[in-house]
Amino acid sequence: VMTQSPDTLSVSPGERATLSCRASQSVSTNLAWYQQRPGQAPRLIIFGASTRATGIPARFSGSGSGTEFTLTISSLQSEDFAVYYCQHYRTFGQGTKVEIK
Amino acid sequence: QVQLQESGPGLVKPSETLSLTCDVSGGSISGYYWSWIRQPPGKGLEYIGYSYYSGSTHYHPSLKSRATISVDTSKNQFFLNLNSVTAADTAVYFCARVSIFAVNWYFDLWGRGTLVTVSS
Repeated sequence: VMTQSPDTLSVSPGERATLSCRASQSVSTNLAWYQQRPGQAPRLIIFGASTRATGIPARFSGSGSGTEFTLTISSLQSEDFAVYYCQHYRTFGQGTKVEIK
Repeated sequence: QVQLQESGPGLVKPSETLSLTCDVSGGSISGYYWSWIRQPPGKGLEYIGYSYYSGSTHYHPSLKSRATISVDTSKNQFFLNLNSVTAADTAVYFCARVSIFAVNWYFDLWGRGTLVTVSS
């Protein structure tokens, strides 16, 4: 089971956002993060816990191993307000919605 | 670049079979795993299953008895059949490519998704 926190994160543009994902047992670094904007398909942003996917801006960073993982968006842009999911193999977290404060 | 596109009926009657196609363009379907994922309205992502291009499959335990995923390499397409549908199967259905790098397993390409409503 993958558990994300918080369910909703209210952040002002330009501020830092920190999202968490916890695994019920160790997954090493086999963890990915996805961004889903309203009405769109999910987009891979991080794989291997910390490797940015092609075309993903440097303001997105991932960290962690074992059971605790973090996605950090260093300075939120308008296009970053979305729902973010973590994933391990065939299991997704429930998502964190990043909304404008 | 490789693109995925889902197609199929937007409305299916209860107890009937949901059938979707994913067209893979800009690259070969060979050598990869191909997956279906769904998202009920207002909810999160749910893995349905995958098929390797050569035919081996895996399904979510809760859907294993109803879902079938297949691949047609000659047409660069893969398919989802889900039988005995109910209203709980109403969702946006996404097709996706699975990438495996070292021990990492992730969905690196997604279709835009297609909404399937189960209703009489």
